[in-house]
Amino acid sequence: AQSVTQLGSHVSVSEGALVLLRCNYSSSVPPYLFWYVQYPNQGLQLLLKYTSAATLVKGINGFEAEFKKSETSFHLTKPSAHMSDAAEYFCAVSDPGGKLIFGQGTELSVKP
Amino acid sequence: DAGVIQSPRHEVTEMGQEVTLRCKPISGHDYLFWYRQTMMRGLELLIYFNNNVPIDDSGMPEDRFSAKMPNASFSTLKIQPSEPRDSAVYFCASSHRDFKRDQYFGPGTRLLVL
Repeated sequence: AQSVTQLGSHVSVSEGALVLLRCNYSSSVPPYLFWYVQYPNQGLQLLLKYTSAATLVKGINGFEAEFKKSETSFHLTKPSAHMSDAAEYFCAVSDPGGKLIFGQGTELSVKP
Repeated sequence: DAGVIQSPRHEVTEMGQEVTLRCKPISGHDYLFWYRQTMMRGLELLIYFNNNVPIDDSGMPEDRFSAKMPNASFSTLKIQPSEPRDSAVYFCASSHRDFKRDQYFGPGTRLLVL
């Protein structure tokens, strides 16, 4: 069965600092992996996805994620945090039928 | 493109009342998903449709919940009777058949059952 684990329910960084949000997955088949962002009182927005092409995936707003099969990880990074990055971030894995299984989410706070 | 549209955005009702949530998917999308988000359980898939046909409703919590998709541009999620534990944010999402995993979410309906 497919599952994802997000390490850390809350991450706080200073503006301009590196953002690192951790996600580990479990999948019985080659995975499709996703990161979504949810701003307050809004729906989820697709940030980026991995679909077995390049292992380093670039997304919107300067975010990127690297697929590491040996570590079963798909961590999300951004070199320099902006105040506008404050939101909740969800990692997700797709099951063979196409359903998305979401992690519990990581709330990112950005301090001035 | 208007995106996924949900109504109402907020709903407050009393226990025992019927609640109907509505969703209009993005035009041309073949898949429609209903999710529920709570602090305790996170984001859960309730049911999804392909070409208006329910494919997987294994996430529907109990018989009080029902969902329909009478046509390609409209879906409803109904709770009857509602209970306080149904309080949550309900999201609708849609995707295109060629990229069914790329789901576009609506803004959600925040439901409070008193």
